[in-house]
Amino acid sequence: AQSVTQLGSHVSVSEGALVLLRCNYSSSVPPYLFWYVQYPNQGLQLLLKYTTGATLVKGINGFEAEFKKSETSFHLTKPSAHMSDAAEYFCAVSDANQGGKLIFGQGTELSVKP
Amino acid sequence: EADIYQTPRYLVIGTGKKITLECSQTMGHDKMYWYQQDPGMELHLIHYSYGVNSTEKGDLSSESTVSRIRTEHFPLTLESARPSHTSQYLCASSEEGPGEKLFFGSGTQLSVL
Repeated sequence: AQSVTQLGSHVSVSEGALVLLRCNYSSSVPPYLFWYVQYPNQGLQLLLKYTTGATLVKGINGFEAEFKKSETSFHLTKPSAHMSDAAEYFCAVSDANQGGKLIFGQGTELSVKP
Repeated sequence: EADIYQTPRYLVIGTGKKITLECSQTMGHDKMYWYQQDPGMELHLIHYSYGVNSTEKGDLSSESTVSRIRTEHFPLTLESARPSHTSQYLCASSEEGPGEKLFFGSGTQLSVL
C-alpha cells in the first residue's frame, strides 16, 4: 500500500530564508508524486508534480522538488521565502495502478515571519 | 484557473437533517473525487467516479453517498447528519491518466450541531 509522511506539521521561516518541506513516500511501484498548496479558505492547487524523466521538478512560485528514489523522498524547496508563501502544503503519491487517486500526507503549515 | 464549483461554502445544520453538497465542473472531466479533510490532518478519499453511472467508495469509510448522473455533476448526500460528520469536504476532478493533476473546488465546511 502507498503512504506519504510529511515531517513536521508546522514549519516557520523568516522572509528571505530557505524553505524546506520534507516528504517521504512508500510505494511498491514507480510513483507519481505531487505537491499541492492550500491557501486559507481555498481549495488545493498543484505546485508541481513528478511522473517520469528529470528528477528535479520546477513548479510555480519559485518552488522545486527533487525525486530521490534511493531515499524515497520528494522534498519541496524554495530558495527565498516570501510572505505570500504562508499556506498549508500537502505531498501526495499515486501510481499507474491507482487510476488517478491520490494518497495525501497530513500537511505542513508554513509560516513566514517578516 | 479551476472551473470546479462547490456549494454551499459553509453549512451549519442540526442533527438528523438530510443534506446534499453540490459539486460541478465545466472541464468535461470524467474523473471526479470527494475528499474529507479535518484540521491538521491529511485528506481522505471517501468517494470517486470514473464517469457517468460510475461511483466507488474511497479509502475512508463514509456514511455519505454520491451519484453521477451527468458528467459535470457529482453531488454528495448525507441522509441523516450527525456531529461526527462535521468536517471540510473537498471535491476534485481530473483528466484521464494516472499522473494528471487534480483540480479542486474551494470546499464545503460542514458543521453539524
